[in-house]
Amino acid sequence: DVKVTQSSRYLVKRTGEKVFLECVQDMDHENMFWYRQDPGLGLRLIYFSYDVKMKEKGDIPEGYSVSREKKERFSLILESASTNQTSMYLCASSSPGLAGLKTQYFGPGTRLLVL
Amino acid sequence: KNQVEQSPQSLIILEGKNCTLQCNYTVSPFSNLRWYKQDTGRGPVSLTIMTFSENTKSNGRYTATLDADTKQSSLHITASQLSDSASYICVVISVIYNFNKFYFGSGTKLNVKP
Repeated sequence: DVKVTQSSRYLVKRTGEKVFLECVQDMDHENMFWYRQDPGLGLRLIYFSYDVKMKEKGDIPEGYSVSREKKERFSLILESASTNQTSMYLCASSSPGLAGLKTQYFGPGTRLLVL
Repeated sequence: KNQVEQSPQSLIILEGKNCTLQCNYTVSPFSNLRWYKQDTGRGPVSLTIMTFSENTKSNGRYTATLDADTKQSSLHITASQLSDSASYICVVISVIYNFNKFYFGSGTKLNVKP
């Protein structure tokens, strides 16, 4: 069974804090993704990575950065959290090759509240 | 503009009944279309993946259809169970020069009542 785990299910942070969201997958997947999910908007891609130390911006990268130092771990960083970053954050991974043809496996999500 | 629209936004049905969820898209070029089920508080789980040449695909009581000409897909749930209560998300994938783009619908929230 593919397992994608995220470091926290719930997080409460203050405006201006630096926030780290961690994602780990155990299937040796090359591709990893970070999304945010907001009511009525669906999932929106923040960043993705197709290899260690490689990263690509998604649709809404502003205010976020990522780190992929090891294949199994993909971190999302909010440099200075703001209230409009309150959201559900979902990590996903998929096996190598054309990512569009590979099933994405999602983690359980981290619900972040920024006060 | 590439978009994925799902309807209805929410749906309540009685246990044992069938239902059909709709997905219309304007994404081009089209690579494949997926349906995901997302239980409350959990990440989405893949139900079906359909490429251009596939019209129907089943996964147990879930049957997805695709009409690539009209750019419409549906997810039919047969003999619904309480555990089918979830959000169902339609995703259309576009591939251009090996670059993949995922377009997510905002989901249909299904509530199955006893």
